[in-house]
Amino acid sequence: EDQVTQSPEALRLQEGESSSLNCSYTVSGLRGLFWYRQDPGKGPEFLFTLYSAGEEKEKERLKATLTKKESFLHITAPKPEDSATYLCAVSQSGGSYIPTFGRGTSLIVHP
Amino acid sequence: SAVISQKPSRDICQRGTSLTIQCQVDSQVTMMFWYRQQPGQSLTLIATANQGSEATYESGFVIDKFPISRPNLTFSTLTVSNMSPEDSSIYLCSVYRDLKDNEQFFGPGTRLTVL
Repeated sequence: EDQVTQSPEALRLQEGESSSLNCSYTVSGLRGLFWYRQDPGKGPEFLFTLYSAGEEKEKERLKATLTKKESFLHITAPKPEDSATYLCAVSQSGGSYIPTFGRGTSLIVHP
Repeated sequence: SAVISQKPSRDICQRGTSLTIQCQVDSQVTMMFWYRQQPGQSLTLIATANQGSEATYESGFVIDKFPISRPNLTFSTLTVSNMSPEDSSIYLCSVYRDLKDNEQFFGPGTRLTVL
């Protein structure tokens, strides 16, 4: 069973059309939940770390939120340059700190 | 942030051959990590490379297939041995600048195609 499930697999938006990406996780204890952005032909780029339910972090048009079962990455008024694959990963407390990654959501924002 | 470079950026190889991927970091780090990213799949950890000791491999990955070297605190290599088309993937190296801040940096990746 996957520990990290991301949905949707792919999302197409018009420029300015806000939406959310979902990351559901199943770990016995959460050490941290991480969001990354990956552009084609490049390695993942770190965006956020969330540690506890209720926590929120923002960066430009992105806001990440966390509950006990899932995280959302909200994209407000997206621009074409926000097009990328967004990866979610979780690290379990009490075990290896190495995170487990989801398969990602491919976002395309049309002008 | 950490600056990580990888060589080669991409390669096309024949079945049965081996390819060594290099990873260079701009500063000294204790641990370096090698990942595989297959199309439509999640990023999968292959092994953790510590300087001065043997690499630690994750379930499903073995040293004979993916030998790793870590000669110093800024450099590591991953070899993909006796390649088959199933090894076609993107291979990424990664480091933590500081384990406490949980920020993981990735190299640009090596895109490998095995014919």
